[in-house]
Amino acid sequence: DAGVTQSPTHLIKTRGQQVTLRCSPISGHKSVSWYQQVLGQGPQFIFQYYEKEERGRGNFPDRFSARQFPNYSSELNVNALLLGDSALYLCASSFWTGYGYTFGSGTRLTVV
Amino acid sequence: QKEVEQNSGPLSVPEGAIASLNCTYSDRGSQSFFWYRQYSGKSPELIMSIYSNGDKEDGRFTAQLNKASQYVSLLIRDSQPSDSATYLCAAAYGNNRLAFGKGNQVVVIP
Repeated sequence: DAGVTQSPTHLIKTRGQQVTLRCSPISGHKSVSWYQQVLGQGPQFIFQYYEKEERGRGNFPDRFSARQFPNYSSELNVNALLLGDSALYLCASSFWTGYGYTFGSGTRLTVV
Repeated sequence: QKEVEQNSGPLSVPEGAIASLNCTYSDRGSQSFFWYRQYSGKSPELIMSIYSNGDKEDGRFTAQLNKASQYVSLLIRDSQPSDSATYLCAAAYGNNRLAFGKGNQVVVIP
């Protein structure tokens, strides 16, 4: 079975631009979460979706938004990019809340 | 703010020795705890989950949970060079959101 897949793997954007990151969960997993990991820190929770509904949002500005599609794949959008948005963006899927999450390989975003 | 603290600095252990990692968490409502291993430049990989007080063993890994002390630990027995990585402790809260510590780097010296 394929694991959690994320695209693109790397991305370079200019300040002020917008970016869309994509994630496909493990087959059968209905819960998808997004995390941001800056260098030297642990991942920080951004969003959680379950059955296409937002179930949680972390302490991130409204420039960050996400959605989950009927096939349980998900997109994370970031508008008006700042230099501080440069990070590894991780998507994680789980069969149900209460289970451990499996992470994708991540998208490394660099804002210049 | 749900916090998970991993305060130890980089840990160097000889090959074959036991590596011991600790973390504390702030939310007494957390019921699920996880250890992830992250190699440099890679994404976190789930290696252990623990939900009840006591020890849980899986191969060379043992996780320990003490909810009264809000304390989670990970022991790596017979450490191998391939265990050299950063280990992240995570606690689940709310709808299974994860709060992560900063991680502990482990270096296994051959």
